[in-house]
Amino acid sequence: GQQLNQSPQSMFIQEGEDVSMNCTSSSIFNTWLWYKQDPGEGPVLLIALYKAGELTSNGRLTAQFGITRKDSFLNISASIPSDVGIYFCAGQAQGGSQGNLIFGKGTKLSVKP
Amino acid sequence: DSGVTQTPKHLITATGQRVTLRCSPRSGDLSVYWYQQSLDQGLQFLIQYYNGEERAKGNILERFSAQQFPDLHSELNLSSLELGDSALYFCASSVTINSYNEQFFGPGTRLTVL
Repeated sequence: GQQLNQSPQSMFIQEGEDVSMNCTSSSIFNTWLWYKQDPGEGPVLLIALYKAGELTSNGRLTAQFGITRKDSFLNISASIPSDVGIYFCAGQAQGGSQGNLIFGKGTKLSVKP
Repeated sequence: DSGVTQTPKHLITATGQRVTLRCSPRSGDLSVYWYQQSLDQGLQFLIQYYNGEERAKGNILERFSAQQFPDLHSELNLSSLELGDSALYFCASSVTINSYNEQFFGPGTRLTVL
């Protein structure tokens, strides 16, 4: 089935550093969502984007819906140890069936104190 | 706490068996979604129900089935289990029929097939 290309697969950074990750698709998306998953837990919604070009912040997190509607990025500023986890992008493709969110394979973030 | 509950948290069973996973959506949410998460496949959408009716199907095997009851809780039935069915199964819910509305995930059920 359709998949999103999420990169990088993993990141090892020092506390205080900024982080950037992105997702790309070969098709147009109507919605982009960013989730974080802690070990043994379900994904938790961080940011939702609904319009091309939209830039939305949630505390130290900022995400953007790409102008081409085929990509999105997530930035985390001044990372802290509790940012550790797996970050997933997800989206609904234009013309896709309602309810069918497509997920990227995740970016695993490790933060060294 | 997302407000979505799933039971059981862990399930260990043998090949060939049948199991039922249960999900209660957030209060007020009419849509329920089921996902399978395995190490090599990531999160895969299985099926969606809205107010009791099936609305969308993803990569769900014929051995798997689901339903949503009048009280809006949902059950995912997995039968003739194989080793490869071992995975985390998540339920999510949203207010409307459309995933334009954010989906809120439950804590998952970890299924181990031996």
